[in-house]
Amino acid sequence: DGGITQSPKYLFRKEGQNVTLSCEQNLNHDAMYWYRQDPGQGLRLIYYSQIVNDFQKGDIAEGYSVSREKKESFPLTVTSAQKNPTAFYLCASTNKLGWNEQFFGPGTRLTVL
Amino acid sequence: AQSVTQLGSHVSVSEGALVLLRCNYSSSVPPYLFWYVQYPNQGLQLLLKYTTGATLVKGINGFEAEFKKSETSFHLTKPSAHMSDAAEYFCAVSDRGSGTYKYIFGTGTRLKVLA
Repeated sequence: DGGITQSPKYLFRKEGQNVTLSCEQNLNHDAMYWYRQDPGQGLRLIYYSQIVNDFQKGDIAEGYSVSREKKESFPLTVTSAQKNPTAFYLCASTNKLGWNEQFFGPGTRLTVL
Repeated sequence: AQSVTQLGSHVSVSEGALVLLRCNYSSSVPPYLFWYVQYPNQGLQLLLKYTTGATLVKGINGFEAEFKKSETSFHLTKPSAHMSDAAEYFCAVSDRGSGTYKYIFGTGTRLKVLA
């Protein structure tokens, strides 16, 4: 079955440590996205990528980094520079057409202790 | 810039009653609009979408939405609420006017269904 996988489901880290969240899709989608979700704030775009080896900052990119070395993979690193990293992180993908819906992964809940 | 406004962060309805979740958008180009549902600790799932053509769009689980250009609205409705409809609902617009493939989301409406 085609879809998006995110791992792990729950992640705990100590303050000051970098952590990488995995996102893999087998839908052959060109575009991939990372969102952060906090209660009452909806989804906020962190980074997005429309093609391999290219990505753009979203609205809240500070303290995060990404790579897009393969079409199916778009990992997100939460660095120690992110001041409030505890949140629910969602990965999504879509065809690069603009009128297609996004497909979402199950999310990763990151808690920084 | 495009934007989405969802009126009411929390909505409560009785089981069997009409569900109405409101979404208004602003867009400089004809919008592509989406409604998603999210259950606790899960990703978002598409309910329905409007791109072109018929303005009344039917989706999964008995939901439908009507695109009203004059009112810049895309409200989500369901004639009879079921307990399983309790979830958070997000309205989104495709930001085609910017030349990218970004999507703008509303802040969400949490639906509570009362027995």
